[in-house]
Amino acid sequence: ETGVTQSPTHLIKTRGQQVTLRCSSQSGHNTVSWYQQALGQGPQFIFQYYREEENGRGNFPPRFSGLQFPNYSSELNVNALELDDSALYLCASSLVGEGETQYFGPGTRLLVL
Amino acid sequence: GEDVEQSLFLSVREGDSSVINCTYTDSSSTYLYWYKQEPGAGLQLLTYIFSNMDMKQDQRLTVLLNKKDKHLSLRIADTQTGDSAIYFCAESIMNDKIIFGKGTRLHILP
Repeated sequence: ETGVTQSPTHLIKTRGQQVTLRCSSQSGHNTVSWYQQALGQGPQFIFQYYREEENGRGNFPPRFSGLQFPNYSSELNVNALELDDSALYLCASSLVGEGETQYFGPGTRLLVL
Repeated sequence: GEDVEQSLFLSVREGDSSVINCTYTDSSSTYLYWYKQEPGAGLQLLTYIFSNMDMKQDQRLTVLLNKKDKHLSLRIADTQTGDSAIYFCAESIMNDKIIFGKGTRLHILP
């Protein structure tokens, strides 16, 4: 049991809409990372948040944005959804500088029609 | 560049050992990981190795790291049906960003 939770578990949206995905970190973890996993692929790093600020970003456009709250929970927002945004979105929590403790939640499966 | 490569499929008979191989390109990796993903589930951290180690054993799992060749392997002894899953090799670089391979699907033959 990793203690990282995500909501919702599944979501269907249409092109052009906006979506917000949520993640609660494992107790004691102060860093949250978000990943996108397309079907048949490995997860791709979107960005990481530490102390409520973005702390590194992968190769994703600005319409992917995030927030981290004082309780270390986090949101991933995606604007102007495209069909290719259909994927499993995973969040992982860790203690900064302790990469070995990065644990993943079960993910939110997003389908864009 | 940042790239992690692994073979896509592996079939092993129940009771045999499974060996999943991986190569990576970033020599500044801090940790190297093996994650397991079962159908419809998230990622489960199986084991990890610090980049200055060359071997780590944890029950049925043995990780070997050849830093010179940037080669990582995962050996699962006495493979069971419950080991059937996709196994991801991954490396961590700056800011704890993790780079994943595309995953190796392990199929267990009876």
